[in-house]
Amino acid sequence: EAGVTQFPSHSVIEKGQTVTLRCDPISGHDNLYWYRRVMGKEIKFLLHFVKESKQDESGMPNNRFLAERTGGTYSTLKVQPAELEDSGVYFCASSLVGTISYNEQFFGPGTRLTVL
Amino acid sequence: DAKTTQPNSMESNEEEPVHLPCNHSTISGTDYIHWYRQLPSQGPEYVIHGLTSNVNNRMASLAIAEDRKSSTLILHRATLRDAAVYYCILTQIWEYGNKLVFGAGTILRVKS
Repeated sequence: EAGVTQFPSHSVIEKGQTVTLRCDPISGHDNLYWYRRVMGKEIKFLLHFVKESKQDESGMPNNRFLAERTGGTYSTLKVQPAELEDSGVYFCASSLVGTISYNEQFFGPGTRLTVL
Repeated sequence: DAKTTQPNSMESNEEEPVHLPCNHSTISGTDYIHWYRQLPSQGPEYVIHGLTSNVNNRMASLAIAEDRKSSTLILHRATLRDAAVYYCILTQIWEYGNKLVFGAGTILRVKS
């Protein structure tokens, strides 16, 4: 079974440009999360989808960030326009929606974003 | 979200047991204790979780204090592959999932 995949693995853009990150969760996982680690800081939660609905977007830093999950499958995270402080590693994770047992989050390898 | 306190780093010899402590004095009755780890250049991965009783799985054991204000992740025989950052995280479990709140974690170094 394929794990969580993220594309691209690395993106280098200039300040002011737009970048779109993609996450493909494990098949059947209705929960999808975005996290990021900026330089020298801890991993921070960005938002959580249940299927195509945003369950919690309390971690989104500002309106330059837009996340979508059309059809409840893959998700995209767009940064427009990118700023220097957006540089970091963006992780996606997915998990099952369950009622009784705990459903661990499975993380992708991350996308390293560098804004010059 | 309740806070956890972990040592910044620990060192272990290969093939020896490792005890990674975590303090969570403000834990609530419905908070589960989770451990995740992040190997170099990878995303975090789940290790173990528990509520009140000690837990064992193929990766590790989790020992939870009776008052639940602290816990210890136990790796029974550390290998070089266990060198990673280990995160102790408190969160509640409900049907539709929940975010993870990462702290700084403990950097575990394993010497051969």
